[in-house]
Amino acid sequence: QKEVEQDPGPLSVPEGAIVSLNCTYSNSAFQYFMWYRQYSRKGPELLMYTYSSGNKEDGRFTAQVDKSSKYISLFIRDSQPSDSATYLCAMRYSGGYQKVTFGIGTKLQVIP
Amino acid sequence: NAGVTQTPKFQVLKTGQSMTLQCAQDMNHNSMYWYRQDPGMGLRLIYYSASEGTTDKGEVPNGYNVSRLNKREFSLRLESAAPSQTSVYFCASTQEVSNQETQYFGPGTRLLVL
Repeated sequence: QKEVEQDPGPLSVPEGAIVSLNCTYSNSAFQYFMWYRQYSRKGPELLMYTYSSGNKEDGRFTAQVDKSSKYISLFIRDSQPSDSATYLCAMRYSGGYQKVTFGIGTKLQVIP
Repeated sequence: NAGVTQTPKFQVLKTGQSMTLQCAQDMNHNSMYWYRQDPGMGLRLIYYSASEGTTDKGEVPNGYNVSRLNKREFSLRLESAAPSQTSVYFCASTQEVSNQETQYFGPGTRLLVL
């Protein structure tokens, strides 16, 4: 079993929809949770960074962490065609700067 | 401010050939990383360098060597390329501010080993 599970998709939604992307994990030591966006043939870029459980909002993006269920989510409101990309979840434990575990990524397509 | 740059963008090698992937960052970051990304596998850490003069193995170091030439540059060398090393390679550097880590990735090098 992988430490981090993520559905690869693809996920297709109409423009304006609310998108929900999710990851589950098995290592309860993970404390820091990240979401990256990766456009085709580009490097990943950090979208959201959260510590422990709770919600964090940044514009149209909301990250949720439920440590009791070992489940993290990224919500995208009012999705745009420019949001079409692969979204990677990632996580690490406290002090483990060198050990970030990534999900395989979910490919999202927002249809105009 | 170019961020993280990688060269080359694309390379084709024959089995047994060697090559060096170059990476440089202009953000004065201490930590630098090399990852490979394969379909269905996600990003996997090959080597990292926590600071100038230090390097350590990551999850998949076999077949690779690295050099942290100075604070800016971190190169990855394949001594004898194998088809299993066909992948997209990403270099990254990390900024740590107030216990928040931000990784900045380069644009990647696509490597095909025949």
